[in-house]
Amino acid sequence: KAGVTQTPRYLIKTRGQQVTLSCSPISGHRSVSWYQQTPGQGLQFLFEYFSETQRNKGNFPGRFSGRQFSNSRSEMNVSTLELGDSALYLCASSPGLAGGPTVQFFGPGTRLTVL
Amino acid sequence: GIQVEQSPPDLILQEGANSTLRCNFSDSVNNLQWFHQNPWGQLINLFYIPSGTKQNGRLSATTVATERYSLLYISSSQTTDSGVYFCAVERSGTYKYIFGTGTRLKVLA
Repeated sequence: KAGVTQTPRYLIKTRGQQVTLSCSPISGHRSVSWYQQTPGQGLQFLFEYFSETQRNKGNFPGRFSGRQFSNSRSEMNVSTLELGDSALYLCASSPGLAGGPTVQFFGPGTRLTVL
Repeated sequence: GIQVEQSPPDLILQEGANSTLRCNFSDSVNNLQWFHQNPWGQLINLFYIPSGTKQNGRLSATTVATERYSLLYISSSQTTDSGVYFCAVERSGTYKYIFGTGTRLKVLA
């Protein structure tokens, strides 16, 4: 099976702009999670989607949003970019089966730089 | 929320040495994974180990859920083992993993 894919891999934006990142999970996986990784804060959970529904959200401002499509692909959006949003954004895919183990598989990440 | 602590934060080894990385968590969890992050940022699954012991080649892991810790053993380390090792835990029904701060491992040739 193909792994988790994320596009784009690298992105440079300026303050105030918005950005959309995309994640395609492993075929058959229905759960997609997003994480932000920065040197200062480490790996932090952003949100998780299953069957187009957000089931949990991390402690991030409303500028961070996401969605999931019927084919399980997911996008996350950051509006009004700030310098502090510069980070590696990681997407994780999981089967999402009820009662099953939540084993997450990560994509290669999107490295966002805000100037 | 659950706190996840990893130790040591940094580790430098000579090639061929063995090491033990530790992950402590502050509350009961239902899922636990170990990851290796390579220099390009990719998180690679090592183990899914909510309890018990597993082995995969030179790597093995043990989780004692009742005592809220997990150990990752690396034997006969190689330079390609360098990188950051993360432990992540999840409580069932929360749909989110909490990551530790990682152990940065450098293996010298």
